[in-house]
Amino acid sequence: AQSVTQPDIHITVSEGASLELRCNYSYGATPYLFWYVQSPGQGLQLLLKYFSGDTLVQGIKGFEAEFKRSQSSFNLRKPSVHWSDAAEYFCAVGASGGYQKVTFGTGTKLQVIP
Amino acid sequence: NAGVTQTPKFQVLKTGQSMTLQCAQDMNHNSMYWYRQDPGMGLRLIYYSASEGTTDKGEVPNGYNVSRLNKREFSLRLESAAPSQTSVYFCASSERGMVGGGTEAFFGQGTRLTVV
Repeated sequence: AQSVTQPDIHITVSEGASLELRCNYSYGATPYLFWYVQSPGQGLQLLLKYFSGDTLVQGIKGFEAEFKRSQSSFNLRKPSVHWSDAAEYFCAVGASGGYQKVTFGTGTKLQVIP
Repeated sequence: NAGVTQTPKFQVLKTGQSMTLQCAQDMNHNSMYWYRQDPGMGLRLIYYSASEGTTDKGEVPNGYNVSRLNKREFSLRLESAAPSQTSVYFCASSERGMVGGGTEAFFGQGTRLTVV
């Protein structure tokens, strides 16, 4: 069965600093990978997704993620964090088939300090 | 364009009471989903509806029922609420069910339910 691990429950960064959120997955074939962001009191919004092709994926709000098959990772990065990026971030992995087969990680809560 | 709308946003129930969470989407999506979000657990799928007229169990269906009323609406019912059902509930929809087809899910803002 597929699974997703986000090893960092909580991360604090200074505004303007770079950010990397870790995501490791377990899946037998080529996975479909997602990063979602959840702002306080809001639903989840898709930041980016990887289905195939270029392993470096660009998303909204200046985020990018790199798929590394050898490390089973799909880490999310941003070169310079803004205070508005404070939120919870979820990595998710999907299998070929229905979206109901998407498995979400437990989330990483990002705090941004001025 | 409202996207996915959930009502209510907040609810407090007493143990044993029943209630229905409503969800509607205006994107003409075929598939709809109900998740619950608990601290340290991420999102877990309760039920889904791949298309109008069909519903299926997800990972944690016990204690819940669903109805796909029409293409737009997908409701979640708690027949006899228990404290273990205290959670944040999210409804989502996607154009197609197939992940490989480039599908993404759009989420509502959630319903925070407390059962006392």
